[in-house]
Amino acid sequence: AQSVTQLDSQVPVFEEAPVELRCNYSSSVSVYLFWYVQYPNQGLQLLLKYLSGSTLVKGINGFEAEFNKSQTSFHLRKPSVHISDTAEYFCAVSSSYNTDKLIFGTGTRLQVFP
Amino acid sequence: DAGVIQSPRHEVTEMGQEVTLRCKPISGHNSLFWYRQTMMRGLELLIYFNNNVPIDDSGMPEDRFSAKMPNASFSTLKIQPSEPRDSAVYFCASSSLSTSSYEQYFGPGTRLTVT
Repeated sequence: AQSVTQLDSQVPVFEEAPVELRCNYSSSVSVYLFWYVQYPNQGLQLLLKYLSGSTLVKGINGFEAEFNKSQTSFHLRKPSVHISDTAEYFCAVSSSYNTDKLIFGTGTRLQVFP
Repeated sequence: DAGVIQSPRHEVTEMGQEVTLRCKPISGHNSLFWYRQTMMRGLELLIYFNNNVPIDDSGMPEDRFSAKMPNASFSTLKIQPSEPRDSAVYFCASSSLSTSSYEQYFGPGTRLTVT
C-alpha cells in the first residue's frame, strides 16, 4: 500500500518570494507521483506529474517538483509566487501497477500575502 | 469540452432523507471516480468504475452508500438514509484509460449538508 505525508498544513509567504511545499511518500513498489491544486470552491486540477525519466518535472503556472527516490520525496517549488497562487495543494501517489487508485495527502494551504 | 459536470452543486437535507448526487464524466473517458472531502479525513476515494463496471468500492463507508454507472455518460452516488456525519463535499472525477496520462479531471463538487 502507498501513503503520502504532507508535512505542512499551512504555508504563509509574501508575494514574489520562493516557496517549497513538502511531500513524502511510502511505497513498496514503484510509484507515480502527482501534485494537484484546489482553488476555493472548485475541484482539483493537475499541476504536474512524475511517471518516469527526468526527476525534475515542470508543470503549469511556473511550478516544478523534483522526485527524489532515496529520500522518498516529491517537493513542489516555485521561485516567485503570486497572490493568485493562494490555494490548497495536494500531493498524490499511485502504484505504477494500479494507476487508477490515487492516494492523496492531507493538503497544504498556501497563503500568499501582498 | 464542458468538463466533468456534477449536480446539484449544493444540497441541504434532513437526517434520514435519501440523497442522490449525479455526475456526467468527460465524453470519451472510461474511468469514473467518486471522492469525499472533509476537514477531518481529507480527500477519500469512495469507489471507481472502469468501462461502467465498479472496480473498487472498498472506500464506501457503509451500506447506506451506493453508486451506479448505468452508461458511459452518467453516474449516481446515493445515500439512504443520510446522517449528519455524511456532510462533506463530494467530487466526481473522470479519466481516460487509453491515453496513459493518468490525469484525473475533477468536477466542481457537490456540497452536502445533512441537518
